[in-house]
Amino acid sequence: DAKTTQPPSMDCAEGRAANLPCNHSTISGNEYVYWYRQIHSQGPQYIIHGLKNNETNEMASLIITEDRKSSTLILPHATLRDTAVYYCIVRVHGTGNQFYFGTGTSLTVIP
Amino acid sequence: DAGVTQSPTHLIKTRGQQVTLRCSPKSGHDTVSWYQQALGQGPQFIFQYYEEEERQRGNFPDRFSGHQFPNYSSELNVNALLLGDSALYLCASSLGVITGNTIYFGEGSWLTVV
Repeated sequence: DAKTTQPPSMDCAEGRAANLPCNHSTISGNEYVYWYRQIHSQGPQYIIHGLKNNETNEMASLIITEDRKSSTLILPHATLRDTAVYYCIVRVHGTGNQFYFGTGTSLTVIP
Repeated sequence: DAGVTQSPTHLIKTRGQQVTLRCSPKSGHDTVSWYQQALGQGPQFIFQYYEEEERQRGNFPDRFSGHQFPNYSSELNVNALLLGDSALYLCASSLGVITGNTIYFGEGSWLTVV
């Protein structure tokens, strides 16, 4: 079962920051939080991941709360091409590549 | 640098038939996992291969089997196809099985069972 909770859908105006929340209240100390997105049922695209500290790369920023029970993915300047389903995933420790995907958040960027 | 490649991209099979899907991992990766994604749902983990052995398995019947070759490429086989096996089949690769390694997905193989 998925260990994360995400809103089913969100809208964001083009050019504005998109903030996608995720709750993972049962996360354990050595489990990472991963974010992927999927466009038009293509393969999921890796965005970012983190353990404790906030992370930033060329695509997005990941803000993890101090208690690690929730996180927020930030797309700083959303474009129409960012319209996709965004998945927040907690990687189960010790089980390799076994990701539990939930239903994700369908983000629509509005012109 | 080639990413994860899968073949075929689309195929149609008849109920009861068998299908083989293929995956080449991203260059430098040695671990391959397979996922099934039905329409409107998130991907579901099928199994993972590392060092040519099945290391982890999700809640899928024995009709689903796989193989990993010495060059790290992998096959997914599904026997006795059911209509419910119609889905996008995704391959993912990574380096090792250590938690924290980035996993990359291919574009998938669309299977339609009629």
